Amino acid sequence: DGGITQSPKYLFRKEGQNVTLSCEQNLNHDAMYWYRQDPGQGLRLIYYSQIVNDFQKGDIAEGYSVSREKKESFPLTVTSAQKNPTAFYLCASSINFGTTAFFGQGTRLTVV
Amino acid sequence: GQQLNQSPQSMFIQEGEDVSMNCTSSSIFNTWLWYKQDPGEGPVLLIALYKAGELTSNGRLTAQFGITRKDSFLNISASIPSDVGIYFCAGPLSAGSQGNLIFGKGTKLSVKP
Repeated sequence: DGGITQSPKYLFRKEGQNVTLSCEQNLNHDAMYWYRQDPGQGLRLIYYSQIVNDFQKGDIAEGYSVSREKKESFPLTVTSAQKNPTAFYLCASSINFGTTAFFGQGTRLTVV
Repeated sequence: GQQLNQSPQSMFIQEGEDVSMNCTSSSIFNTWLWYKQDPGEGPVLLIALYKAGELTSNGRLTAQFGITRKDSFLNISASIPSDVGIYFCAGPLSAGSQGNLIFGKGTKLSVKP
């Protein structure tokens, strides 16, 4: 079945460690996005990629990094520089940049 | 930056009642999207609107693209317990470098069984 897969569903890390969240899509979408969601908040854009080998910072990119070496994959690394990394992370993709986005199931990251 | 204002922020309703929520912006949108998010899950697209004045239904859900292109409405008829969740509106800003989707903060719906 086509879709967007995020893994793992839950992730625990010690403070000071980098951690990478996986996002894979088999929808043949050009654009991919990473959002962060905090309790009671809307979605805030971290990074986005319009096409393979390209990515741009979103509204809250500090402390995060991404790569887009393959069309179907857009991993997000939460670095030790991110001061408040505990959150729910959502990956999305769309056929073209800015068009209707479809979301993965999310990864809940807890840093202790 | 640009914002989408959703109201109400939260609502409790009796099962079987109809629900209305809306989303407004100071900017013009060419597309309005409505998503629903269940606890601990990713948002799921409910309805997409592409034309001013458009009225689109998906089962018990009906959404409208406002004539001014600055607002949209979502109605749920005869609510049931599984309607519980957070409803988000979203839209891409005008074409070009501002093509990111932006999201409202959501309307949290709770149903009394």
